[in-house]
Amino acid sequence: TQLLEQSPQFLSIQEGENLTVYCNSSSVFSSLQWYRQEPGEGPVLLVTVVTGGEVKKLKRLTFQFGDARKDSSLHITAAQPGDTGLYLCAGSMWAGSYQLTFGKGTKLSVIP
Amino acid sequence: DTEVTQTPKHLVMGMTNKKSLKCEQHMGHRAMYWYKQKAKKPPELMFVYSYEKLSINESVPSRFSPECPNSSLLNLHLHALQPEDSALYLCASSQGPPTITTGELFFGEGSRLTVL
Repeated sequence: TQLLEQSPQFLSIQEGENLTVYCNSSSVFSSLQWYRQEPGEGPVLLVTVVTGGEVKKLKRLTFQFGDARKDSSLHITAAQPGDTGLYLCAGSMWAGSYQLTFGKGTKLSVIP
Repeated sequence: DTEVTQTPKHLVMGMTNKKSLKCEQHMGHRAMYWYKQKAKKPPELMFVYSYEKLSINESVPSRFSPECPNSSLLNLHLHALQPEDSALYLCASSQGPPTITTGELFFGEGSRLTVL
C-alpha cells in the first residue's frame, strides 16, 4: 500500500486557471516537503511544512499542512506554462532514522 | 543552478561493462544519497551515507556498489547491469544525517543510464 496518496496523477489545464494537488496519508509525518521536477532534471525543493495547520506561500503557490500532519495540499493560482512539471510530495517520518516517503507525483501540464 | 553536481549526464553501457557515476557537493552536507527513478515514477531510495559511512542500503543488488571517498564525493559503481536497470540515477545531499534531521534533500540533475 502507498503510504502517501497523491492526487490527481495527471492534470492538464489552460494558462490562467487555478489548481490544487493533494497529498494524503493515514500516517502522521514530522514534516512534509514539496518538490518540482522538470523532465531530465532532478527534483527541486519548493517548501517544507512542519507545523500542523501551517500555510506557506511562494509567489502563486500556496502550501498547507493539515492540522493532524497527515495531509497536505498545493494550490497554484493563475497557472503559467512555466509551472509545467512533476510535483512530488514527500513525508518525513521517524523509524529509527528519518525516512522520507515520496508520493507518486502529479504530472502538471499548463497549456498556453 | 544545482549545487549537487553529477557526472556523466548520460551513460550508455553494455551488460558486461564496468562504469561509475559520480556526485559532488560543496555545501558541507553530512548525508548523501543515491536514488533511482524510472519514467513517470517517484524516486526510490537506494543508499544513504551519513558522515561518510553507509547507513542505509535498501536491499539493492550487489551489481550496484556505492562508495563515499570523502564528505563531498559519492560514487556509484556499476557492473553487470541488466536492461531493466536503465533509469535516471539521482544523487542528493542533506545538511544533517537522517538520524538527526528530517533532511531537506538537494538533488543533482541526475545521470540518465541506458543498459543495452
